[in-house]
Amino acid sequence: GENVEQHPSTLSVQEGDSAVIKCTYSDSASNYFPWYKQELGKRPQLIIDIRSNVGEKKDQRIAVTLNKTAKHFSLHITETQPEDSAVYFCAATPSGTYKYIFGTGTRLKVLA
Amino acid sequence: NAGVTQTPKFQVLKTGQSMTLQCAQDMNHEYMSWYRQDPGMGLRLIHYSVGAGITDQGEVPNGYNVSRSTTEDFPLRLLSAAPSQTSVYFCASSSDRGAPYEQYFGPGTRLTVT
Repeated sequence: GENVEQHPSTLSVQEGDSAVIKCTYSDSASNYFPWYKQELGKRPQLIIDIRSNVGEKKDQRIAVTLNKTAKHFSLHITETQPEDSAVYFCAATPSGTYKYIFGTGTRLKVLA
Repeated sequence: NAGVTQTPKFQVLKTGQSMTLQCAQDMNHEYMSWYRQDPGMGLRLIHYSVGAGITDQGEVPNGYNVSRSTTEDFPLRLLSAAPSQTSVYFCASSSDRGAPYEQYFGPGTRLTVT
């Protein structure tokens, strides 16, 4: 079945440094790739998404890149701040469905 | 709009008991889904629905039933609770057909089965 792999599982960076989280998906027909941020005890919240007809998307300090040939997409956070500390999840939506297949999450710690 | 609401927030069950987790949304979203979240395993899809009267299984459907009689409500039923169903359950909804849109999550239900 469809599968999304996410790496790394934990990531620690110094405040002000960049953080990169990578995901690989199995269904080449997937067409929508959201990223969610989840703070401790809270619900997941969408932070950025990208569709299969776009290679890159930016929103202030956050960017997502998509490589359809390699079937992977990445989240880039620049100038990290302590409030960026959270668990981040990637997901893929197989074409023709409304399902999200989530990665297993990355716990990001930004050290002050 | 209240968005996506879930009740209860917390629940403790004994093995073998049954219960229903409630989920409602007031955004007229066609698509609704249930996930469970376990440490180190991310969010796994249990069941989903693309509209009233239409449901389908996700990755981990065993031990759970759903129905969708209205656009607003999508309850999740645990038939005979087992300790393996201890988890945090999230309901989510998104806008209607045509293209996959952002899923809005409810606040979650933390379930413990003893």
